[in-house]
Amino acid sequence: LAKTTQPISMDSYEGQEVNITCSHNNIATNDYITWYQQFPSQGPRFIIQGYKTKVTNEVASLFIPADRKSSTLSLPRVSLSDTAVYYCLVGVYNQGGKLIFGQGTELSVKP
Amino acid sequence: DAGVIQSPRHEVTEMGQEVTLRCKPISGHDYLFWYRQTMMRGLELLIYFNNNVPIDDSGMPEDRFSAKMPNASFSTLKIQPSEPRDSAVYFCASSLALGQGAQETQYFGPGTRLLVL
Repeated sequence: LAKTTQPISMDSYEGQEVNITCSHNNIATNDYITWYQQFPSQGPRFIIQGYKTKVTNEVASLFIPADRKSSTLSLPRVSLSDTAVYYCLVGVYNQGGKLIFGQGTELSVKP
Repeated sequence: DAGVIQSPRHEVTEMGQEVTLRCKPISGHDYLFWYRQTMMRGLELLIYFNNNVPIDDSGMPEDRFSAKMPNASFSTLKIQPSEPRDSAVYFCASSLALGQGAQETQYFGPGTRLLVL
């Protein structure tokens, strides 16, 4: 059962690049790595997904090393509106059908 | 598409009352999920459906909770009788598939904030 570990909280300032790293040592061969973002009083929202190397979209980049035991979500030039909780998920479908959202990383962007 | 629709957005009720939460998934999505979020326990999967059939309800807290999906465009989560410890935000989500990379992306509704007094 893939388990993820990520920092509980991070602070940043507007305009900085933020990198959130997630450890997933037990990732399975077929597992994808997915990141969700949750603003207060809203449901989680898909940000980015990858399998290996690097993925980039209009919101973020996802870096995955060759061993896939970790991944790094990179948010370029954050703004106050990027303040949210960021969840890393591995292998969306886990044993027994239980999808495990960890505690996530609470990112606080300050002016 | 309007996304996943949930109703009501807020519900305040008294202990012992029946509560029914409603969800309309994104059209064409074969999977529907019900989650509960609290400060103490985070985001928990309660139950999920595939093509209207419940696949895994092991996350349902107890017999007071029940969920149905009578058709592809509607699902309910019912709590009877409700208790103060059921107070939480309940999210519904839907996806095209499971275990198939990009197709397994889940789209969440805005949630129902439930307060049981």
